[in-house]
Amino acid sequence: EAGVVQSPRYKIIEKKQPVAFWCNPISGHNTLYWYRQNLGQGPELLIRYENEEAVDDSQLPKDRFSAERLKGVDSTLKIQPAELGDSAVYLCASSLSPGVGDNEQFFGPGTRLTVL
Amino acid sequence: ILNVEQSPQSLHVQEGDSTNFTCSFPSSNFYALHWYRWETAKSPEALFVMTLNGDEKKKGRISATLNTKEGYSYLYIKGSQPEDSATYLCAFQTGANNLFFGTGTRLTVIP
Repeated sequence: EAGVVQSPRYKIIEKKQPVAFWCNPISGHNTLYWYRQNLGQGPELLIRYENEEAVDDSQLPKDRFSAERLKGVDSTLKIQPAELGDSAVYLCASSLSPGVGDNEQFFGPGTRLTVL
Repeated sequence: ILNVEQSPQSLHVQEGDSTNFTCSFPSSNFYALHWYRWETAKSPEALFVMTLNGDEKKKGRISATLNTKEGYSYLYIKGSQPEDSATYLCAFQTGANNLFFGTGTRLTVIP
C-alpha cells in the first residue's frame, strides 16, 4: 500500500515569491493534516480537513497561507508571498475518520522549504 | 497550544547500550499518546499509540509505558543499534483528533 506522497521534497525560493506544496493521502483516509516543523521544534498543526471541509484552520496564517482539498483527496498548501520565517519542513499526514481505528496518523516525508 | 516536553533533547549512546527517553504532557483532556520515529529524509513512522493509564507496548527492542494520571510516558530501547539513530517524537492527542508534538529526542547510536 502506498504511503502519503508529498512533492516537492525540497524547495528553495527567494522571499516574496509564491510556493505550493502538494499532498496525496493514503487511499480511504478521509482526514488530512498539514503540519509545519520549524527548526528545533516539533511539528505544529496548520490545518485539518475532514473530506473536503477544513474543520480546523485556527493555526493557519491566513494573510499569506491558503489550502484546498478538492474532491476530498489530494491537497495543496500555498504560501504567497513567502517570508524568511516560513523556512521549515511542511508535513502532510492522513488518517481514518475520527473514532475509527486507533487514531494513527500516517505522515509523508515532508517538503523542506528554504526562503532566501 | 498544549505543552508537551521531551527529554533529553539529544543523546549519544554506544551500540549495545540500552536507553530511555521521557515525554511529559498535560494530565487533563487526555485521549491518546503517540510515539513516532523520524529518520533523516524519511517519513515519521508511528511506533505506538497508547490510550490507557498503565499501558505498556512493545515492538521488538523498543517499548513504551504510559502514566496518564501524572502525565508522562517513557520510551525504552534495549541494546541500541546504529539503525535506531533517529529523532523520537511524542505527541499528545486530545479528543479533537489533533496531535500536539514535543520537540523530540535526537538519538545517535555510535558503532
